[in-house]
Amino acid sequence: EVQLLESGGGLVQPGGSLRLSCAASGFTFRSYDMSWVRQAPGKGLEWVSIVGGSSSTTYYADSVKGRFTISRDNSKNTLHLQMNSLRAEDTAVYYCAKGYYSGYVDHWGQGTLVTVSS
Amino acid sequence: QSVLTQPPSVSAAPGQKVTISCSGSSSDIGNNYASWYQQLPGTAPKLLIYENNKRPSGIPDRFSGSKSGTSATLDITGLQTGDEADYYCGTWDRSLSAGVFGGGTKLTVL
Repeated sequence: EVQLLESGGGLVQPGGSLRLSCAASGFTFRSYDMSWVRQAPGKGLEWVSIVGGSSSTTYYADSVKGRFTISRDNSKNTLHLQMNSLRAEDTAVYYCAKGYYSGYVDHWGQGTLVTVSS
Repeated sequence: QSVLTQPPSVSAAPGQKVTISCSGSSSDIGNNYASWYQQLPGTAPKLLIYENNKRPSGIPDRFSGSKSGTSATLDITGLQTGDEADYYCGTWDRSLSAGVFGGGTKLTVL
């Protein structure tokens, strides 16, 4: 059974940093691209970033480019999202997601809430 | 503003059929498979349809998808109160190298 378990969310001040992690199990982690998708309170889904299976390719939404960095550790089956220069509009539930290059996400984590506020 | 366009809400009575549309462009839905997700209140999204019309294991055949050109459609037949949720379409835009979603459609089963 595929499981994705996010951690690292919390309250941070504007301009601050936070690192999210996602522990993956139940599939061959290194073989799949992995994404982060976020959802602001009461809003829709927004794709944030993706990393290829071998970490050779990464892409970002324009809204986070230059501030967020996605990475993965295939030896530990873990996905990360380093978030710097956080803004109030980054407040959202962040979901770890398996896939998206192929056009779909086939598994989602339960999400971790990031709140950017003073 | 979302890249893919969905109606904000749809409604129908139990047992009836509802159709949710998703309009895109030649660079997103027109150039890749469409997918659909169901998000029940307070939960994470769940994959309903992938590669335009395929259902993952465990998804009932009351849910079906199709694609024509730059638009995709989700049909739900035999509506149940448990189907009340937000539904999102999505795909990968190969031109932009970015994931895209619709704004979501809230389904109300009257």
